[in-house]
Amino acid sequence: EVQLVQSGTEVKKPGESLKISCKGSGYTFTTYWIGWVRQMPGKGLEWMGSIYPPNSDTRYSPSFQGQVTISADKSISSAYLQWNSLTASDTAIYYCARNLPVPAAIERYYYYYMDVWGKGTTVTVSS
Amino acid sequence: SYELTQPPSVSVSPGQTARITCSGDALPKQYGFWYQQKPGQAPVLVIYKDTERPSGIPERFSGSSSGTTVTLTISGVQAEDEADYYCQSADSIDTVFGGGTKLTVL
Repeated sequence: EVQLVQSGTEVKKPGESLKISCKGSGYTFTTYWIGWVRQMPGKGLEWMGSIYPPNSDTRYSPSFQGQVTISADKSISSAYLQWNSLTASDTAIYYCARNLPVPAAIERYYYYYMDVWGKGTTVTVSS
Repeated sequence: SYELTQPPSVSVSPGQTARITCSGDALPKQYGFWYQQKPGQAPVLVIYKDTERPSGIPERFSGSSSGTTVTLTISGVQAEDEADYYCQSADSIDTVFGGGTKLTVL
């Protein structure tokens, strides 16, 4: 069974750093991109970025570029989402998802859709 | 920034057909995808590449595309279909989600 297992709930203070994880199993981890999606309380889904574990090629949404860091360790089939300095507006559920690339309208570019999702990691940032 | 526009809510009675639309200027050139999200759960892919249904998704879920609009159709709606539904596509190269539609089964 294909699974993405995410790390547990986090409660942090503003200014603290955080790294959450997503471990893939049941498939060849290095064959697929992994993406991260944010869902703020009571709000919709937002694509944050995606990473290709074999070479750590990473694409960020313009909205999240510079705000977070996405990384991966193919040796342990894991992807990560990291913040250097959290703020209250980072309070959300963060989902990782297996990404499949789709050719974009611009040649040699791709966008992604998500065929398998993790259960989400709840991050609360409060003083 | 690019937007995919969905109606905030759709209501249908059990057994009826629900249609949820998603509009975006780039949709004639990009595929549309649909996700179902029930309260407290992660999203689930229900339609990919406009019309394809993943294995395990009931046949009552179907997708279509016409011009700048993609549509998710649920035929013979059941109580268990009550959920939020999100479309997803891309502007030129960046993955984008619609704002979501809450489907209420009356």
